[in-house]
Amino acid sequence: DTEVTQTPKHLVMGMTNKKSLKCEQHMGHRAMYWYKQKAKKPPELMFVYSYEKLSINESVPSRFSPECPNSSLLNLHLHALQPEDSALYLCASSQEFSGGVPDTQYFGPGTRLTVL
Amino acid sequence: EDQVTQSPEALRLQEGESSSLNCSYTVSGLRGLFWYRQDPGKGPEFLFTLYSAGEEKEKERLKATLTKKESFLHITAPKPEDSATYLCAVQGPNYGGSQGNLIFGKGTKLSVKP
Repeated sequence: DTEVTQTPKHLVMGMTNKKSLKCEQHMGHRAMYWYKQKAKKPPELMFVYSYEKLSINESVPSRFSPECPNSSLLNLHLHALQPEDSALYLCASSQEFSGGVPDTQYFGPGTRLTVL
Repeated sequence: EDQVTQSPEALRLQEGESSSLNCSYTVSGLRGLFWYRQDPGKGPEFLFTLYSAGEEKEKERLKATLTKKESFLHITAPKPEDSATYLCAVQGPNYGGSQGNLIFGKGTKLSVKP
């Protein structure tokens, strides 16, 4: 089973709201990722967690706050977003991060976020 | 600078008309090359991982090949349900804070008409 689940599927929020995106995998993967994807563009990496520790933050604004409560769960807390943050937010996981062999990333279905 | 270029940007085929998608890359020390399929509004679906030049992998109507400079995704006798955007991504060697990062191409949008 190579399933990554994400909730909610769709989210509409105002610029003053606080919301969270959730991601879960039960493949025993030790690396989890958040990506942002705008229409007709490839995914852009935001954060990487390896063994529940933040390994990479690709200069993401502080209004996005990631959290990894355990090896199966990944959250993305959202606060004071801007309309330009509207996008498809993708979660992915892989067995390892920076292993000696290619680490295939498996993506979830995404959360479509609209910021009004 | 590491780069991934996919061509063509868009491809229209008739059902049953075989063709190939190209992914050319420049990366020092390729660790892996990945093909994904993405339907509109959905997350990328993993298709293949290729590790070294000369490697080939097949799945149903799709076959992926890898050389030292490019990869091809061959589609044999496509059906309308193969319509999607196909993304290519490469993974470079471990280095600094970019370990494990995928470098994506912009994708090829495939449309297969019945």
